[in-house]
Parts: sequence; C-alpha cells; structure tokens
Amino acid sequence: GEDVEQSLFLSVREGDSSVINCTYTDSSSTYLYWYKQEPGAGLQLLTYIFSNMDMKQDQRLTVLLNKKDKHLSLRIADTQTGDSAIYFCAESGNNDYKLSFGAGTTVTVRA
Amino acid sequence: AAGVIQSPRHLIKEKRETATLKCYPIPRHDTVYWYQQGPGQDPQFLISFYEKMQSDKGSIPDRFSAQQFSDYHSELNMSSLELGDSALYFCASSLGLAGWTDTQYFGPGTRLTVL
Repeated sequence: GEDVEQSLFLSVREGDSSVINCTYTDSSSTYLYWYKQEPGAGLQLLTYIFSNMDMKQDQRLTVLLNKKDKHLSLRIADTQTGDSAIYFCAESGNNDYKLSFGAGTTVTVRA
Repeated sequence: AAGVIQSPRHLIKEKRETATLKCYPIPRHDTVYWYQQGPGQDPQFLISFYEKMQSDKGSIPDRFSAQQFSDYHSELNMSSLELGDSALYFCASSLGLAGWTDTQYFGPGTRLTVL
C-alpha cells in the first residue's frame, strides 16, 4: 500500500536469522502487525505491537519498533524452510481499525 | 480453536454475473472486515461492520454491497462482475470495541475468478 512500504524479496539460508523491514507514514498508527501468507493460503497473524512499545519477543519472533523513524522490523531466528512465505506488515489507527498493508516481502529459505 | 469460515472457497463466474461470498466470524466476535487481494498485490480494505452496522468503508465499488446479519455472519454481494474483480477475497473478524485491541483474524479467503 501507499502508506506502508516493505522490501519485496529476502533470501536467507536455513538456520540464519531473517530480518524484514517495514516503514509507515501514519504517525497516528496505534497498532502494527505482521501477517504471514503461504502460497494460496490465508493471512496468518504472527504478532503485533502497540505503538508505545519498542520491542516484543515471541519465541523465534522479535519485533522492533522505532516510532520516531516510523520503522518496524520482524526478526525470525533460526529460519526454517517452513518460514518461506510472504510477510505483510500492516498498521491501523486509534479510531480507524481497518488495516493498511505493505506490499509484502517474499522470504525464500535456501538449504 | 474455531477460526473464521468463508464460503465458497473457490468461485468461477462469467462477466456480468452476480456472486455472493459468505463469512462466519469467530464465535463472540462482533466485527467483520472484508478485504480484496488482487494477484501479486497486498490486501485492500473494502468494508467493515460492527454490531450489524457498517462501521467503515474503503475502496468498494458501487456494484458491491455487504451486510452483517443478526448472527454476525456477513455476506458480500457482487453484481455486474468484471474481469478485474478476479481476486482473493478475505474476511476477517475481531472483538471490536469489546477488546482493547482490534486484532483481526483472517479466514482462508474465497478465490473468485471472472471469465
């Protein structure tokens, strides 16, 4: 989308860490989300972070938020072949709950 | 745990025909969102409902209409279908104002192909 930008492709070796970056423009964004989409499948919610947080960790996933720079990142530790998918960053506002998505980052995990 | 159910999963229609997509939210979720994802694109918000009332509207064509019923399921009605309507249509549900975060959980989508 226009308001949320992501790099389009990421190739990572199995076992390494993946870092997917996202920038957004709406300073009133309250919630920021990461969704995973496997080929031909729906959107799976991975994690989310509130705008008043800097970091959130959930098992292999670490989300970092730099509100000043409007930059969000998702780190996947020990990347596995099952992590190959498209990852969407999305944001919603305080009184406006609809999600605005980035274009998605296609992550390819190679052996 | 119960998830969002969408039906049908696949739908093939001819140009100028009509289509109805159905969405059954997670139990106790009172808010439903519809998104359209074109080939190779990110999902685009169409419309949402909270407690059976339209709560927000996005880039939904006038040929499309939607509603939420008393049991909270929602239907997206699409008329005078065009080739460009071919897409994956997602429904998402959330707790809406009942929850302190409006985290949306997505269904598997309905893939609509217009020939």
